[in-house]
Amino acid sequence: QVQLVQSGAEVKKPGASVKVSCKASGYTFTSYYIHWVRQAPGQGLQWMGIINPSGGSTNYAQNFQGRITLTSDTSTTTVYMEVSSLTSDDTAVYFCARDHNTDGFRHFDYWGQGALVTVSS
Amino acid sequence: DIVLTQSPGALSLSPGERVTVSCRASQSVSSTYLAWYQQKPGQAPRLLIYGASRRATGIPDRFSGSGSGTDFTLSINRLEPEDFAVYFCQHYSSSPSWTFGQGTKVEIK
Repeated sequence: QVQLVQSGAEVKKPGASVKVSCKASGYTFTSYYIHWVRQAPGQGLQWMGIINPSGGSTNYAQNFQGRITLTSDTSTTTVYMEVSSLTSDDTAVYFCARDHNTDGFRHFDYWGQGALVTVSS
Repeated sequence: DIVLTQSPGALSLSPGERVTVSCRASQSVSSTYLAWYQQKPGQAPRLLIYGASRRATGIPDRFSGSGSGTDFTLSINRLEPEDFAVYFCQHYSSSPSWTFGQGTKVEIK
């Protein structure tokens, strides 16, 4: 079965960087793009970016341009999201999600369990 | 950028009642790219509806979606205890970008 398993919770100081992983299994890794979405405490969902694990091409939301980097490792079927220059506003749960892009539709069909990143001095 | 506005922000209902959640887009969008998700506390969102009206695999038929243009609706017939959650609409545009509504919380009355 399709699974996206994320790395654990992190606590970082302001100005630091954090790298969250998302290991995919149960499907052909290079056939589906992966998204990253974040959710601040008690807030809604915010799309951050997308990566094509086959080749590594990316698109980032304007709000995150220059501050996040998405990468993929086909040997371990893992996608990574790194956020730099952290502030308290980056305290959130970060989700990876698989992109469904077949039969004309476009949505997120499977999600990771989320990884809480806390930014605190 | 397209903005999705959900209403109401929250509602309190009893099990067995029917609920309707609205998602209004700031401009006309393709229903092909309109989806709905359910999120329970401490969990990841779960896909309910895609293409505005198609139920995802394993979603009970008490969930339905409809709409076109700028106005979309998620309906739940006969609320079950496990349906109390937050519901989000989402749209894809070809920029590419994905936008979510702010969410609607369905609480037990």
